[in-house]
Amino acid sequence: EVQLVQSGGEVKKPGQSLRISCKGSGYTFASNWIGWVRQKPGSGLEWMAIIYPGDSDRTYNPSFQGLVTISVDKSLSTVYLQWRSLKASDTAIYYCVRQGHHTSGSSFDYWGQGTLVTVSS
Amino acid sequence: DIQLTQSPSSVSASVGDRVTITCRASQGIRISLAWYQQRPGQAPKLLISATSTLQSGVPSRFSGGGSGTDFSLTISSLQPEDFATYYCQQVSSFPYTFGQGTKLDIK
Repeated sequence: EVQLVQSGGEVKKPGQSLRISCKGSGYTFASNWIGWVRQKPGSGLEWMAIIYPGDSDRTYNPSFQGLVTISVDKSLSTVYLQWRSLKASDTAIYYCVRQGHHTSGSSFDYWGQGTLVTVSS
Repeated sequence: DIQLTQSPSSVSASVGDRVTITCRASQGIRISLAWYQQRPGQAPKLLISATSTLQSGVPSRFSGGGSGTDFSLTISSLQPEDFATYYCQQVSSFPYTFGQGTKLDIK
C-alpha cells in the first residue's frame, strides 16, 4: 500500500528555521516525483515545489522560489521542505504529494496526512 | 501562469441531485486536468485524472469531461458523503495551479 507519512505539527516563532518531512513507502520511491502543497487556513491549494528522488531534479513555483528549499534523502525514502526564516504568513497545513506517472495523467495520486505549521510570536 | 476559474464557488444541493462544476483554464491545457475532493479536516483525494479517468475506488456517479480550456465534473446522484469542497488542477505546465475550489453543501 502506497503511503506518505509526514512529520508532526510544529509551533515556531517568526525568524526561526524549520524542516518538515515526508516518508514514502509501498512503492519504488525513486521513480515518482514528490511535491509539496500549501493550504492556508480557510483557503485553497497552492503547489509549491516538486523533486524527483531518482536524480534530485527539482522545480519550484516562482511564488515560493527562494522562500523554501525542497530536498530528498533517497536512502531514507524521505523528502523535506525547509524554511530558513519563518514568517507568520507561513502558517498553514503543508501536504506532501506523489505525482503519478505520465501514463496515468501526472496528477497527485497520493497525499500525506498534512503537517500543520503555526508561526506565532 | 495558467489560471483556473471554477464555477460556481459554492452550491447547495440535495441528496439525489445532479450537480456539475466547471473549470475554465486561461489557456489550452489539452486534457491535463485533475479533480480532487476535500472533506473537512482531511487531505484532498484524487477523483479524476487526465480530464476523465476515474481513479480506482471512486464511485461511477462521478464523471469528468472537456478538453482545451473548458472542463467539467459531474456528480450524477449526490450522496451524503459527497458534500465537500472540489478543486480542479492543471498539470500541463509549471507552475501547477489549482482552481479556487467549489464548496458543495446540503440544501
